[in-house]
Amino acid sequence: EVQLVESGGGLVQPGESLRLSCAASGFTFSDYWMTWVRQAPGKGLEWVASIRADGSGTFYVDSVKGRFTISRDNAKNSLSLQMSSLRGADTAVYYCLRDRGSVWGQGTTVTVSS
Amino acid sequence: DVLMTQSPRSLPVILGQSASISCRSSQSLVHSDGNTYLDWFQQRPGQSPRRLIYKVSNRDSGVPDRFSGSGSDTDFTLKISTMEAEDVGVYYCMQATEWPWTFGQGTKVEVK
Repeated sequence: EVQLVESGGGLVQPGESLRLSCAASGFTFSDYWMTWVRQAPGKGLEWVASIRADGSGTFYVDSVKGRFTISRDNAKNSLSLQMSSLRGADTAVYYCLRDRGSVWGQGTTVTVSS
Repeated sequence: DVLMTQSPRSLPVILGQSASISCRSSQSLVHSDGNTYLDWFQQRPGQSPRRLIYKVSNRDSGVPDRFSGSGSDTDFTLKISTMEAEDVGVYYCMQATEWPWTFGQGTKVEVK
């Protein structure tokens, strides 16, 4: 079964850091681009970042550039999102996606609040 | 950034009737490779989104054939041919032709 399972969400204070992880199974992870998309409470979907299949290129929405880093470990079938200098506006459910959304995880919730 | 505008924002539909959602982009979505990267997603209440349609008109595996996508350049449509109760949810279009990828605001489909 093709599956993506996110972890690492939680409650943090503004300015703190958090690392999200996504464990992939059921497909050849190294063949696919991977993506993070987020959804603020009661709001729509927002693309956050994507990474090429071999990790050679990364892309970010402007609002997270310089603060978030997407990375992958193809040997471990794992995707990560390192988030730093977190703000209230980063509060959202973060979804891990295979390529442009052929597969979605269940999401992990990040809350940034003092 | 490419602005994606969906209409209507809310769509009450009688069971068994058809429904259409429009998605317009602020610029052409035809990529330099010749493909048009316009996808449609469904988010049922309390669930993760799932993709229904990719590259304008290609149905994802397992998606009922009552869902269809059409359009070109800047004007796209998702159609539900026969509304069923399980189709209730929010529908989003997304363009992946230009960075950053951008979503429409969403269309809430409900039973009338």
